[in-house]
Amino acid sequence: KAGVTQTPRYLIKTRGQQVTLSCSPISGHRSVSWYQQTPGQGLQFLFEYFSETQRNKGNFPGRFSGRQFSNSRSEMNVSTLELGDSALYLCASSFPQGSGEQYFGPGTRLTVT
Amino acid sequence: SQQGEEDPQALSIQEGENATMNCSYKTSINNLQWYRQNSGRGLVHLILIRSNEREKHSGRLRVTLDTSKKSSSLLITASRAADTASYFCAAGGGETSGSRLTFGEGTQLTVNP
Repeated sequence: KAGVTQTPRYLIKTRGQQVTLSCSPISGHRSVSWYQQTPGQGLQFLFEYFSETQRNKGNFPGRFSGRQFSNSRSEMNVSTLELGDSALYLCASSFPQGSGEQYFGPGTRLTVT
Repeated sequence: SQQGEEDPQALSIQEGENATMNCSYKTSINNLQWYRQNSGRGLVHLILIRSNEREKHSGRLRVTLDTSKKSSSLLITASRAADTASYFCAAGGGETSGSRLTFGEGTQLTVNP
């Protein structure tokens, strides 16, 4: 099976812009979670989608949003980018319904200038 | 902020030695997982221990869980230079938490050849 894929791998944006990141889970996995990793805050949970519905949400401002499509692919969007949004954004998928091991993608490195 | 703390933050050992990393968490869990991350890449799942288990082995890995102390430890035996990476513990919650993981701050392990 192919692993979790994330696109793009690297991204440079300017403050105030918006960005969309994409994640394709492992075939058959219906749960997709997103995490932000920064040197200062570590790994923080953003949100989880299961069967196109947001099942859990972390403590992030409304500028961070996501969605999941019927094929389980997921996107996350960050609007009005701030310098502090520079981070590695990781996507993880799991099967069957969570509370188990997760499979992470390589991440998208976002730099906001 | 992270739920868990990991100890030590950094560990440097010689090839062939054992490496022990400790993790503490704050809330009730369904399982406790350990992940490895190489140089800012995606996380790789190492081992999962359920809340009703006390010890688990996988190859050169041994993990223990003490729910009364809300702590876990990961032991890597006969370490290799290729084990050099950051190691994170992650607490998996109950049914209402879905796939959400709460990560510790991580231990940077360096194995010198």
